[in-house]
Amino acid sequence: DGGITQSPKYLFRKEGQNVTLSCEQNLNHDAMYWYRQDPGQGLRLIYYSQIVNDFQKGDIAEGYSVSREKKESFPLTVTSAQKNPTAFYLCASSIGYSEQETQYFGPGTRLLVL
Amino acid sequence: QKEVEQNSGPLSVPEGAIASLNCTYSDRGSQSFFWYRQYSGKSPELIMFIYSNGDKEDGRFTAQLNKASQYVSLLIRDSQPSDSATYLCAVGRGSTLGRLYFGRGTQLTVWP
Repeated sequence: DGGITQSPKYLFRKEGQNVTLSCEQNLNHDAMYWYRQDPGQGLRLIYYSQIVNDFQKGDIAEGYSVSREKKESFPLTVTSAQKNPTAFYLCASSIGYSEQETQYFGPGTRLLVL
Repeated sequence: QKEVEQNSGPLSVPEGAIASLNCTYSDRGSQSFFWYRQYSGKSPELIMFIYSNGDKEDGRFTAQLNKASQYVSLLIRDSQPSDSATYLCAVGRGSTLGRLYFGRGTQLTVWP
């Protein structure tokens, strides 16, 4: 089955700790995205990547880092610099990166701070 | 002014009624428009997209686009309790390829 997988489903972070959220897709999509969703809020773009080994900051990149070493993988690291990381994190992908490309979402990771 | 604005609701309609969800956007250069449905605790799923002015129908759903007024709407006919969810409007701009700008969503409740 083709799709986007995210792991873990729930993640707990201690103060001062870096954590990494996994996102994998087997759709052969070129573009991948990371969003953050807070309760009652829309989706805010953290980082996006249009091709392998290239990525751009979104609107709220501070305290986050990404890599795109493989086409199918786009992991997100939430660093200790992110002071309010509790949120629902969504990974998405699209075939290409034109303005008409539909983005498809993974199931999400819920990050909680201990 | 926010890029994409939606009424947060909640919008409540009886089963069988038409639900109308509205979205306005600020950038006249916007080219593509998407409606996603998000059930509580789940990720968004695509309902439909529209690129050209006018109406686009898919089953019980109709998207309406008016670029002159910078307005896009989603009509849900014969609403069902299973349609109860948050509906997200997303807009793509030609100047920022690949990026979508999302509204905060409208919460819809369909009561039996």
